Amino acid sequence: NAGVMQNPRHLVRRRGQEARLRCSPMKGHSHVYWYRQLPEEGLKFMVYLQKENIIDESGMPKERFSAEFPKEGPSILRIQQVVRGDSAAYFCASSPRAGAVYEQYFGPGTRLTVT
Amino acid sequence: DAKTTQPPSMDCAEGRAANLPCNHSTISGNEYVYWYRQIHSQGPQYIIHGLKNNETNEMASLIITEDRKSSTLILPHATLRDTAVYYCIVRVEGYGGATNKLIFGTGTLLAVQP
Repeated sequence: NAGVMQNPRHLVRRRGQEARLRCSPMKGHSHVYWYRQLPEEGLKFMVYLQKENIIDESGMPKERFSAEFPKEGPSILRIQQVVRGDSAAYFCASSPRAGAVYEQYFGPGTRLTVT
Repeated sequence: DAKTTQPPSMDCAEGRAANLPCNHSTISGNEYVYWYRQIHSQGPQYIIHGLKNNETNEMASLIITEDRKSSTLILPHATLRDTAVYYCIVRVEGYGGATNKLIFGTGTLLAVQP
């Protein structure tokens, strides 16, 4: 049973470009979460999505960041007009259902470097 | 979610049991205790979770005190590959809002020594 998959694993973008990060949840999981880890900092929640719906985006920066989880295909975290401060590791997690009783399983992350 | 307090770092000899403490003195009756670890920049790895009773799986044991104000994660035979940052997280039971996000603190850096 494949785990959470993320691609690309490493992404280099110049300032002003767009970054697209993809996350395929574990089989049977319809809930996806994105977290960001800035260099030398802890993991911070960004957004929680269920198929075709954003449930909680309280941790998303107000501008330039968006997320989707379409009916078919992976979840996408999109960062427009990237800046150096966006350089970080972005982790995706998935769970079969919502609620604290269900553990979240994480992918290997995408390391974004903005030059 | 209740706040947790963990020591910033611990050492453990290879082959010995590693006992990682966590204080969560403001925990509510419907809050789960979760443990994750992150091995050097990899994705966080789920270890174990519990509500009231002690739990054991193939990776570790979780001991929760009777008043639920603290817990201990036990790795029975630590290996060098267990060197990681270990996070203790409490999550309120439910189906909305804060229940669905993991709030990571600074964790405990466990260094397993050969």
